[in-house]
Amino acid sequence: AQSVTQLDSQVPVFEEAPVELRCNYSSSVSVYLFWYVQYPNQGLQLLLKYLSGSTLVKGINGFEAEFNKSQTSFHLRKPSVHISDTAEYFCAVNKITGGGNKLTFGTGTQLKVEL
Amino acid sequence: EAGVTQSPTHLIKTRGQQATLRCSPISGHTSVYWYQQALGLGLQFLLWYDEGEERNRGNFPPRFSGRQFPNYSSELNVNALELEDSALYLCASTRGVLAGTDTQYFGPGTRLTVL
Repeated sequence: AQSVTQLDSQVPVFEEAPVELRCNYSSSVSVYLFWYVQYPNQGLQLLLKYLSGSTLVKGINGFEAEFNKSQTSFHLRKPSVHISDTAEYFCAVNKITGGGNKLTFGTGTQLKVEL
Repeated sequence: EAGVTQSPTHLIKTRGQQATLRCSPISGHTSVYWYQQALGLGLQFLLWYDEGEERNRGNFPPRFSGRQFPNYSSELNVNALELEDSALYLCASTRGVLAGTDTQYFGPGTRLTVL
């Protein structure tokens, strides 16, 4: 079975500062990796995903993430955050073979951008 | 193109009652996934339907059930409601069962409150 750990439940950061949201996963098989964002009272929106190839993945809204197989990590980064980035961010995995497209999510990281 | 839609937005029930939640996938998508987002428990996979059949279910009791209609819309039924069923229920859709790499597109959710 897969599991996802998001170590930081909350990350406060000032506007225009860089931010990194951490995600570690555990799986006995190869996985696809995803980051989703949830704005207040809304559903989830895909930020980016890693399927294969280059380990640095660029997503929407200036976010990027790096897949590190040896450390089983998929940390999300943004060089300069904006107030509008305040939201909850979820890391998720899906195993590559079998089981269809069932996502296993981390517990989420609340990013709070302050002026 | 219309996104995933869910109804109702909010639903208030009392213990022991039944709740029915509805989801319409993106046009052309045949797979529908249901997730429960309960406070403190994160996002948990509930059910997956594709081409009218239940393909997989998460670790939830049998009183959580559902179905998928010929037009690929889906219904989630929760019988004998308990207080801990209070949560945001999210529906997502993808193109199909082989789409392990496919992005899951999420609806805005139904907020179920059990009193």
